[in-house]
Amino acid sequence: GAGVSQSPSNKVTEKGKDVELRCDPISGHTALYWYRQSLGQGLEFLIYFQGNSAPDKSGLPSDRFSAERTGGSVSTLTIQRTQQEDSAVYLCASSLDPGGTGGNTIYFGEGSWLTVV
Amino acid sequence: EDQVTQSPEALRLQEGESSSLNCSYTVSGLRGLFWYRQDPGKGPEFLFTLYSAGEEKEKERLKATLTKKESFLHITAPKPEDSATYLCAVQARGSGNTGKLIFGQGTTLQVKP
Repeated sequence: GAGVSQSPSNKVTEKGKDVELRCDPISGHTALYWYRQSLGQGLEFLIYFQGNSAPDKSGLPSDRFSAERTGGSVSTLTIQRTQQEDSAVYLCASSLDPGGTGGNTIYFGEGSWLTVV
Repeated sequence: EDQVTQSPEALRLQEGESSSLNCSYTVSGLRGLFWYRQDPGKGPEFLFTLYSAGEEKEKERLKATLTKKESFLHITAPKPEDSATYLCAVQARGSGNTGKLIFGQGTTLQVKP
């Protein structure tokens, strides 16, 4: 597709349930990022994938959060045993070459709005 | 620690009233400074990337500038459709940095007709 695609756009789940959020990056982009944006807050880095390198998981808030990227393209962010504080917008982004001196613009999707009740 | 601070948090302007948004940053080595626009319920929309002090970029009524410590987003003769939250982010250099963006809290701009 032309842009970063995320699904679902909205998800309401019960506390304690697991959720999966999907991201389809821009075709040809090798780098993929997940960010979280809580109501009225800035964007919080979660995890980064680049090619076949080990992902940078330094932003994941707890071991209930995990992510994978299959075939260097689509990524899934999984939140296990959801808590109310997990309610936020989960944004996925991709870029062509983060290691380059130029052309490393990071493009965002529209986000997945997660509400835990 | 790499950090980004934006000011003001909120800004109200009359249509046609020019102003500037500030983004101050501390980073071990700057690879790039990014400006995004975010409308309610939407993902951030890319505006500009600046790479070195003295660089300037323009797009319609917006102009971004960069020094070694801060960036400004100048808005000339704004229109109501410029109302949005403007986000600043930095990308740091170094082998320990994976290219992730560190964001400020944003400036919410409201332009009244």
